[in-house]
Amino acid sequence: QVQLVQSGAEVKKPGSSVKVSCKASGDTLRSNIITWVRQAPGQGLEWMGGIIPVFRETKDAQKFQGRVTFSTDESTRTAYMELNSLRSEDTAVYYCATEPRLNWNDGYAMDVWGQGTTVTVSS
Amino acid sequence: DIQMTQSPSSLSASVGDRVTLSCRASQNIGSYLHWYQQKPGMAPKLLIYIASSLQSGVPSRFSGSGSGTDFTLTISSLQPEDFATYYCQQTYSGRTFGQGTKVEFK
Repeated sequence: QVQLVQSGAEVKKPGSSVKVSCKASGDTLRSNIITWVRQAPGQGLEWMGGIIPVFRETKDAQKFQGRVTFSTDESTRTAYMELNSLRSEDTAVYYCATEPRLNWNDGYAMDVWGQGTTVTVSS
Repeated sequence: DIQMTQSPSSLSASVGDRVTLSCRASQNIGSYLHWYQQKPGMAPKLLIYIASSLQSGVPSRFSGSGSGTDFTLTISSLQPEDFATYYCQQTYSGRTFGQGTKVEFK
């Protein structure tokens, strides 16, 4: 059974960076897209982008282009999302999730989710 | 970018009610439409994928329909555990979520 376990809550200063990790079970990184979604307090879900680990192919939502980096470490079965130049509007819960495909155009759903990581940006 | 619009934004219902939630895409997305349920403080949970396929383990009272630009999630008989917020999502081009429909207790 696929499981995703995310790193703990973070408090960051404006202008700094945050790197959130998402540890996967078994061969998850070899057979899935790892995608990232965030949710600001009281707001809806916002897709940020993600990575196909086996091809090291990333895709960013236009809003985050140039500010977000997706990566993986296959030796530890861990995916990462790093967001730079943080501002107060980046305060949110960040989720990783799997799409059980190896092609962005297959358009499948996000079937397994991590528990979420709260990132607070405050001076 | 493809915009997803859900209606209503919230609704009040009672246990046993039949509930219908709508989702409209700003352009044709075929059947690349999925539905999620989210409860407070929890991660979203996949209910329906590719417009009408029921995710494993999800009760059969949930069903999805539609294609192109107009989609529907139906709960045939609302149960106490179904009070939550529901999101639609398109994966035809990039990924976009609707703003959500909150199902509240009447």
